[in-house]
Amino acid sequence: GAVVSQHPSWVICKSGTSVKIECRSLDFQATTMFWYRQFPKQSLMLMATSNEGSKATYEQGVEKDKFLINHASLTLSTLTVTSAHPEDSSFYICSAREGARQAFFGQGTRLTVV
Amino acid sequence: AQSVTQPDIHITVSEGASLELRCNYSYGATPYLFWYVQSPGQGLQLLLKYFSGDTLVQGIKGFEAEFKRSQSSFNLRKPSVHWSDAAEYFCAVGEVTGTASKLTFGTGTRLQVTL
Repeated sequence: GAVVSQHPSWVICKSGTSVKIECRSLDFQATTMFWYRQFPKQSLMLMATSNEGSKATYEQGVEKDKFLINHASLTLSTLTVTSAHPEDSSFYICSAREGARQAFFGQGTRLTVV
Repeated sequence: AQSVTQPDIHITVSEGASLELRCNYSYGATPYLFWYVQSPGQGLQLLLKYFSGDTLVQGIKGFEAEFKRSQSSFNLRKPSVHWSDAAEYFCAVGEVTGTASKLTFGTGTRLQVTL
């Protein structure tokens, strides 16, 4: 199957700093990418949907100025958590799809804000 | 709005025993249904999906699921569980429109396998 790679897998940052998470589609063109957040022992919650070259569409309750999403190319989307706080600590997962094909998930990024 | 319910938070089965994980959904139209597996600290791997046609779908790793419209269910089954199947399992219902597909996930069922 297609491969979606997230980097980094683990990141620890200080409160108040920003951290960027990358999501790459390695063998297909990701026309659409999705960013999810997963709290411990809970399900995945969709944060935003981005189409290449367009602004991301955020789900209700997600602060777009805090979670900056860039999808500037067909193989890369980035999620930047700005001015991170301990409550932003979570597991962030991206998924990517080409056109109407099946979406594939990255392996996730564990963010810890101290 | 679409929703997914996985009634069982945690299930323990013995290796070699059969498994059934329950999933009920709420969706206004014909749903697109998925089962994913997540190993600790990992992303999600698609086990199987249902879009249309035969209501019994076969997936990877020996899993299958049956879509029952009358019961709004899409239960996952495996006849003989292996220790490596221990993981978190998520059922999801999808809204597929144009080039986007928004998935709504259930809260997951954690499967523990005893030897």
